[in-house]
Amino acid sequence: AQSVAQPEDQVNVAEGNPLTVKCTYSVSGNPYLFWYVQYPNRGLQFLLKYITGDNLVKGSYGFEAEFNKSQTSFHLKKPSALVSDSALYFCAVRDSMDSSYKLIFGSGTRLLVRP
Amino acid sequence: SAVISQKPSRDICQRGTSLTIQCQVDSQVTMMFWYRQQPGQSLTLIATANQGSEATYESGFVIDKFPISRPNLTFSTLTVSNMSPEDSSIYLCSAERQGKETQYFGPGTRLLVL
Repeated sequence: AQSVAQPEDQVNVAEGNPLTVKCTYSVSGNPYLFWYVQYPNRGLQFLLKYITGDNLVKGSYGFEAEFNKSQTSFHLKKPSALVSDSALYFCAVRDSMDSSYKLIFGSGTRLLVRP
Repeated sequence: SAVISQKPSRDICQRGTSLTIQCQVDSQVTMMFWYRQQPGQSLTLIATANQGSEATYESGFVIDKFPISRPNLTFSTLTVSNMSPEDSSIYLCSAERQGKETQYFGPGTRLLVL
């Protein structure tokens, strides 16, 4: 069965410092991995994805994530955090062998960037 | 990317009533989905809305409670039937085009049942 773990309920970082939001996954086949962000009273916005190829993927708003197959991780990173990055972040996985296109979401990590 | 709109954006309903949520995509998509996000929780897939056939429901969700329609490749509805306060959630639709490997989400419908 597919699963996603986001071990931190909340991450606190000072503006200008680097940030990391952690995600680990479990799938039977090859993973398709995604990060989404949810701002207050808004829907989910797509940030980036890993399907195949280069393990380091770059996405919107300066975010990037690194796929690590041996550690089954897909951590979200940003070199310099902004106060406006404060939001709820979700990691999601899909099994490439699953024809249902079903996404499994992690529990979410709240990022708080203080000025 | 796909632009997805939902109506209504929010509603307050009385228990025992039903609410139908509409989801419109700006272009034809292969897959459409409905999710529930309970307060402070993550997203849970309710069902896959199949064009021209019955929706595929996830464990714990049934058609009588959450009937879904998808009459064409750009539109779907989710009805929350015989509502109770436990149905108070955000309901989100998403869509994906074949081969694009990315689901895009609508802004959500915030439902409060009294």
